[in-house]
Amino acid sequence: DGGITQSPKYLFRKEGQNVTLSCEQNLNHDAMYWYRQDPGQGLRLIYYSQIVNDFQKGDIAEGYSVSREKKESFPLTVTSAQKNPTAFYLCALGHLNTGELFFGEGSRLTVL
Amino acid sequence: DAKTTQPTSMDCAEGRAANLPCNHSTISGNEYVYWYRQIHSQGPQYIIHGLKNNETNEMASLIITEDRKSSTLILPHATLRDTAVYYCIVSRAVKTSYDKVIFGPGTSLSVIP
Repeated sequence: DGGITQSPKYLFRKEGQNVTLSCEQNLNHDAMYWYRQDPGQGLRLIYYSQIVNDFQKGDIAEGYSVSREKKESFPLTVTSAQKNPTAFYLCALGHLNTGELFFGEGSRLTVL
Repeated sequence: DAKTTQPTSMDCAEGRAANLPCNHSTISGNEYVYWYRQIHSQGPQYIIHGLKNNETNEMASLIITEDRKSSTLILPHATLRDTAVYYCIVSRAVKTSYDKVIFGPGTSLSVIP
């Protein structure tokens, strides 16, 4: 079964806790992206990575961290420093040649 | 900031063509126009993209003006399932480490029975 997998789909956490969202792919794409979406809003870029062991901050990176130790995986950690972490988080892959993005189903994080 | 501007919302009668405009007046010569749509609570879905020629696939047609400063996504026979938020973005196809892909707020299309 090929594609992009985000987990968990729903996640609840208490204030002050770090949480890591998983994004895994087996399509052999180099580029991976993390976006955040708030209700009724568009997508805002958190972090992105075009190659292994390299990643760049997006427009709203504060309070988040990522790693890209292998091509297949681009996990996002929402740290306690993120003041308003409740949101819908979307991971995407970028096709190397055509540039189109393939999105996962998303992870909905709720901070209690 | 997003490099594109789109109307906030549009309505379309079921069975009619939906024409969604997008302005991208600062587009660079090597940037493509991409369209995605997002149905509520799902990840966005790729629709179509183009550089300067008009493009058509099984989902939609993309018309890009000759000066490339604007484009229109056409859904030829809109159905209720086409109700979604449509995003127009511009980016290079082959990217370097510093190429962001920025989404604006998009156009909320409502297809009305």
